[in-house]
Amino acid sequence: GQQLNQSPQSMFIQEGEDVSMNCTSSSIFNTWLWYKQDPGEGPVLLIALYKAGELTSNGRLTAQFGITRKDSFLNISASIPSDVGIYFCAGQLVTGANNLFFGTGTRLTVIP
Amino acid sequence: DAGVIQSPRHEVTEMGQEVTLRCKPISGHDYLFWYRQTMMRGLELLIYFNNNVPIDDSGMPEDRFSAKMPNASFSTLKIQPSEPRDSAVYFCASSPPPFGQPQHFGDGTRLSIL
Repeated sequence: GQQLNQSPQSMFIQEGEDVSMNCTSSSIFNTWLWYKQDPGEGPVLLIALYKAGELTSNGRLTAQFGITRKDSFLNISASIPSDVGIYFCAGQLVTGANNLFFGTGTRLTVIP
Repeated sequence: DAGVIQSPRHEVTEMGQEVTLRCKPISGHDYLFWYRQTMMRGLELLIYFNNNVPIDDSGMPEDRFSAKMPNASFSTLKIQPSEPRDSAVYFCASSPPPFGQPQHFGDGTRLSIL
């Protein structure tokens, strides 16, 4: 299967700080997605990116689809305690039987 | 709007027992996916359906696993007989047409096989 390398694996930050995480792949994807998973819940879609170079914001979140289509990053500005959770990147193809591949996740801890 | 609904949320049973997990996708979503999440392997796709028809089950680990989708609003994932190594969180997700739209996940079923 496709390999998505997500970094960092974990982050401990102070409330109010900005956060940056990224995802790289050896393969080209048509879509990049960022999900957040809270304990005991399913992944929730945060941002979807459909075009190389696209920069999209959702509140304090900003994500970009890399020009090479092999990478993406997610930034969170002015972190707050409820940002705590695990963030997953996912690369998606529009063809192929198994079309959604997840990164290994970034566990974010925000210290009040 | 209601999201993907899974039941039960938690299941604890002894090895050898049959386990049935249930999923109701979002209305209008033609695609339904079953995933398994473990610490070691992360999120793995088990099987997915399009318009109630199984398209790819290559991720189903063994013959002990089976999935059905009798209609557009209901799917089951069954494990028989269950084994301790099946312990994981099982997620159902759905997406609208056309193929390749973002998937929306349920809250999962946490399965523990003793």
